[in-house]
Amino acid sequence: SQTIHQWPATLVQPVGSPLSLECTVEGTSNPNLYWYRQAAGRGLQLLFYSVGIGQISSEVPQNLSASRPQDRQFILSSKKLLLSDSGFYLCAWSVHPAVETQYFGPGTRLLVL
Amino acid sequence: DAKTTQPPSMDCAEGRAANLPCNHSTISGNEYVYWYRQIHSQGPQYIIHGLKNNETNEMASLIITEDRKSSTLILPHATLRDTAVYYCIAYSMDSNYQLIWGAGTKLIIKP
Repeated sequence: SQTIHQWPATLVQPVGSPLSLECTVEGTSNPNLYWYRQAAGRGLQLLFYSVGIGQISSEVPQNLSASRPQDRQFILSSKKLLLSDSGFYLCAWSVHPAVETQYFGPGTRLLVL
Repeated sequence: DAKTTQPPSMDCAEGRAANLPCNHSTISGNEYVYWYRQIHSQGPQYIIHGLKNNETNEMASLIITEDRKSSTLILPHATLRDTAVYYCIAYSMDSNYQLIWGAGTKLIIKP
């Protein structure tokens, strides 16, 4: 069966510090991968998606970036965090090329102070 | 902007059927209706989807009106563990990899 991992579960970082969130998927090959952010009480906002190694599409301009160095690994990064980067970050995967049924990880709660 | 509208919150008694409405009056012919739910502090979970016909699985039933302008998600025997935010999403292959998430409906199951 397929599983998706995210770490860390929670993170408190000072403004201006770097960020690296990791997501890995097991039990499937060539998945579509997604990074979302969720503000408190709001729906999910798609940040990045990837249909293959090294292929990243960005949906929202921001100071975040994403990379996919391996087939089942998706990384969300920032060089300098802003207060507005606080939120709940979710990684998801879907069977390529389908998009509509996505399977989500447990999420990382980021607080930037 | 989300293509669907949902009430912000609903209550339901434990053991009763929970009926969650969703309006999608501008849905196009090739858009499916998808339902996800998100239990507090967890990632969303896929529930069910449909195009025209009513659908049922082990989690829920989906009733889509004949004109496809609205639908209802039915949890037949709600339990306390069904307390969550429920999202209704209209999606087609033309949506460029985006599931458009609204604020959903906060469903509270009361004992």
